[in-house]
Amino acid sequence: AQKITQTQPGMFVQEKEAVTLDCTYDTSDPSYGLFWYKQPSSGEMIFLIYQGSYDQQNATEGRYSLNFQKARKSANLVISASQLGDSAMYFCAMRNLNSGYSTLTFGKGTMLLVSP
Amino acid sequence: DAEITQSPRHKITETGRQVTLACHQTWNHNNMFWYRQDLGHGLRLIHYSYGVHDTNKGEVSDGYSVSRSNTEDLPLTLESAASSQTSVYFCASSDNRRNTIYFGEGSWLTVV
Repeated sequence: AQKITQTQPGMFVQEKEAVTLDCTYDTSDPSYGLFWYKQPSSGEMIFLIYQGSYDQQNATEGRYSLNFQKARKSANLVISASQLGDSAMYFCAMRNLNSGYSTLTFGKGTMLLVSP
Repeated sequence: DAEITQSPRHKITETGRQVTLACHQTWNHNNMFWYRQDLGHGLRLIHYSYGVHDTNKGEVSDGYSVSRSNTEDLPLTLESAASSQTSVYFCASSDNRRNTIYFGEGSWLTVV
């Protein structure tokens, strides 16, 4: 069974500062993918970034980067230079690529609030 | 542009009624999913399908059913709605070639 743990129910950060949202995972499958989604107050799920378990480098997408530490089974999201529009719920998710290939397992989420 | 749409976006229904939430995608994806989102639980998988006529139960499938008669649609049916099924429902789809799953905008269902 796969499991995603997000231990921070809420995080506060000031505008223009960097913030790290924690995510740890558990799986016995050697081939998997890790995702981060953003859910603003309007409710839609917005895909942010993806990291494959065999990817050699940490994923980056603009101001988002994924700090992937395979041995520690962690996949933290780093948002640089926070903006007010980054205030949202953030979900970490995982997909095993060999068994039950396509289903995503989600963590419970972290609410990020960015203050001026 | 390809998209995934859900309807209705908001619905209030009574306990015991049958309710169907529609999901339609134009990505031509083989894989489609239904999740429910509840405070403190994140998103939990209800049912999923890997192709036409294929359906599978997820983590919280009791009280729900799906059918897949074509590639584009995966309707979710609540056979006899219960107050515990008040939730936000998300449909999603993906292609095995891409490591991205696309979500619909969600359907807010209230069972009174």
